[in-house]
Amino acid sequence: AQKITQTQPGMFVQEKEAVTLDCTYDTSDQSYGLFWYKQPSSGEMIFLIYQGSYDEQNATEGRYSLNFQKARKSANLVISASQLGDSAMYFCAMREVNSGYSTLTFGKGTMLLVSP
Amino acid sequence: KAGVTQTPRYLIKTRGQQVTLSCSPISGHRSVSWYQQTPGQGLQFLFEYFSETQRNKGNFPGRFSGRQFSNSRSEMNVSTLELGDSALYLCASSLGDRAITEAFFGQGTRLTVV
Repeated sequence: AQKITQTQPGMFVQEKEAVTLDCTYDTSDQSYGLFWYKQPSSGEMIFLIYQGSYDEQNATEGRYSLNFQKARKSANLVISASQLGDSAMYFCAMREVNSGYSTLTFGKGTMLLVSP
Repeated sequence: KAGVTQTPRYLIKTRGQQVTLSCSPISGHRSVSWYQQTPGQGLQFLFEYFSETQRNKGNFPGRFSGRQFSNSRSEMNVSTLELGDSALYLCASSLGDRAITEAFFGQGTRLTVV
């Protein structure tokens, strides 16, 4: 079974609008971390936001917020006020205690296109 | 604070050759992980090094190997290159202690095997 599922291969949004990128995960660990990364066409993987499994509040970093619903095993990324520079591939990833603290498991990604 | 540095950025090699990629982590980070990214398979974990020891390994053939030096810099080596090894190779730097912490990536090395 897929550990990280991103069901949206592509998303379109207009500049200044908000967009939600979906991510569901599967783990039997109690301790795990969820991450979102942005990958522009240059290839670099840029860290955006992190949510720990024990964190009670949703993580926020500037225009990025993570909508964490533990019971539903979902960790959706919300980008507010989209900008043209947000056009990129977005990956959801997970670190689990049992698979080794440093190993990241990635979803297949969502391509976001922001139009003027 | 300097980020993660990967060299070279681009490589073109011929089938059968070998290649070495380098990764310098963020200062103070002791864990370096390597990932292979291809259009077909997505991002796949290769291995992780911590304090000069391989701590975790993905499901890749023995042609893929790595090492880590005392200054935490890591190298990845691929021997007897195949066409299917063409990929973006990314390394990730993290503190490496026994906690779930962020991982920061370099810009990657794009390897093309012809």
